[in-house]
Amino acid sequence: DQQVKQNSPSLSVQEGRISILNCDYTNSMFDYFLWYKKYPAEGPTFLISISSIKDKNEDGRFTVFLNKSAKHLSLHIVPSQPGDSAVYFCAAHQDNFGNEKLTFGTGTRLTIIP
Amino acid sequence: NAGVTQTPKFRVLKTGQSMTLLCAQDMNHEYMYWYRQDPGMGLRLIHYSVGEGTTAKGEVPDGYNVSRLKKQNFLLGLESAAPSQTSVYFCASSSGQGTYSPLHFGNGTRLTVT
Repeated sequence: DQQVKQNSPSLSVQEGRISILNCDYTNSMFDYFLWYKKYPAEGPTFLISISSIKDKNEDGRFTVFLNKSAKHLSLHIVPSQPGDSAVYFCAAHQDNFGNEKLTFGTGTRLTIIP
Repeated sequence: NAGVTQTPKFRVLKTGQSMTLLCAQDMNHEYMYWYRQDPGMGLRLIHYSVGEGTTAKGEVPDGYNVSRLKKQNFLLGLESAAPSQTSVYFCASSSGQGTYSPLHFGNGTRLTVT
């Protein structure tokens, strides 16, 4: 049972345009959401996060939007740059009476076309 | 500025062989984790540790053991490797449990079990 879903395995975007990566979740107990970026042969690196009490968080070219009623979050990258080509993982955190857990999605491979 | 270092980077094992994956972090983090990444499955937590001398089971612990004898090191052992353990293994560390403490990942160990 996949509680965090990234339904698009891949996405191609022209350089300079906006990239939108989507993530859906089913567990309403998730209280924090994170995006990680992964280059080939490297480990994932933290990109941006958002608390469930907020609906938007911005950091430079990266903005994460959270729609709790739809159980949906998205990562916007604008403008997209060639260095943004990577696999992006959505992750969701929950604290179940002190038992904390981070659940990852399956990832979306973003390719920025020069 | 090493961060999280994993050794080895690659390994091929025959079914039934044993091995230990090493993880070292130089950030004085309390929490350490072992994940595996498989195609279409995202990152799944194997075992984790909330401090020196402690270990706990994650989502997919069967067939693995771990030890945290020193704060900076977290070892993952496979006693009798199986083809189902073919995967990319990532070690991660954080200063606190997931919510506001993003994970710092190593570059992974690619393990093939034949």
